[in-house]
Amino acid sequence: GAVVSQHPSWVICKSGTSVKIECRSLDFQATTMFWYRQFPKQSLMLMATSNEGSKATYEQGVEKDKFLINHASLTLSTLTVTSAHPEDSSFYICSARRPMRGPGGYTFGSGTRLTVV
Amino acid sequence: DAKTTQPPSMDCAEGRAANLPCNHSTISGNEYVYWYRQIHSQGPQYIIHGLKNNETNEMASLIITEDRKSSTLILPHATLRDTAVYYCIVKTKGDKLIFGTGTRLQVFP
Repeated sequence: GAVVSQHPSWVICKSGTSVKIECRSLDFQATTMFWYRQFPKQSLMLMATSNEGSKATYEQGVEKDKFLINHASLTLSTLTVTSAHPEDSSFYICSARRPMRGPGGYTFGSGTRLTVV
Repeated sequence: DAKTTQPPSMDCAEGRAANLPCNHSTISGNEYVYWYRQIHSQGPQYIIHGLKNNETNEMASLIITEDRKSSTLILPHATLRDTAVYYCIVKTKGDKLIFGTGTRLQVFP
């Protein structure tokens, strides 16, 4: 149980276009989801916390107008990278907070590798 | 949240126990110790967590010192598939996960 599906697993887009990444909790409801970014050989960096039905909370230094987060239902959060540039190329990973009775509390998606050309 | 210190890399022979240390000397009383791992190009995977007592599950054991200032993750019989980056994270139960630099464990034949 406690599966998080992330789609797409990889995407290539042209500079200036926007890309949407979906994160779904398949067998549980997630009122809170998290978005991370990871550059090669680096650790995961938390970008924002996505709360169902309310605005996302962004970490310091993350541009909220560039990385649009929508958490419209208890099982879906989306991250849209707007006007993507090559420096936005990265591995994006989502995580969903499970009901507290579960072990660990957080389940991660398998990640989306974004390449902007 | 308290910060953690982990060695950047470790090696372990296949079949042997892998002992991964973590220092968290500023941990506070309501903070848990969590361990996750990330196999190359995948999302992190939960391993184990604990507060004060030692914990064991099907994947690993977690040994927390009595003063809670450090802990050790033990993989009892490492396999090649255990090669990954292991993250030790200290936080309160409802708080977000902030990843440090982790330990890159290389299991060799």
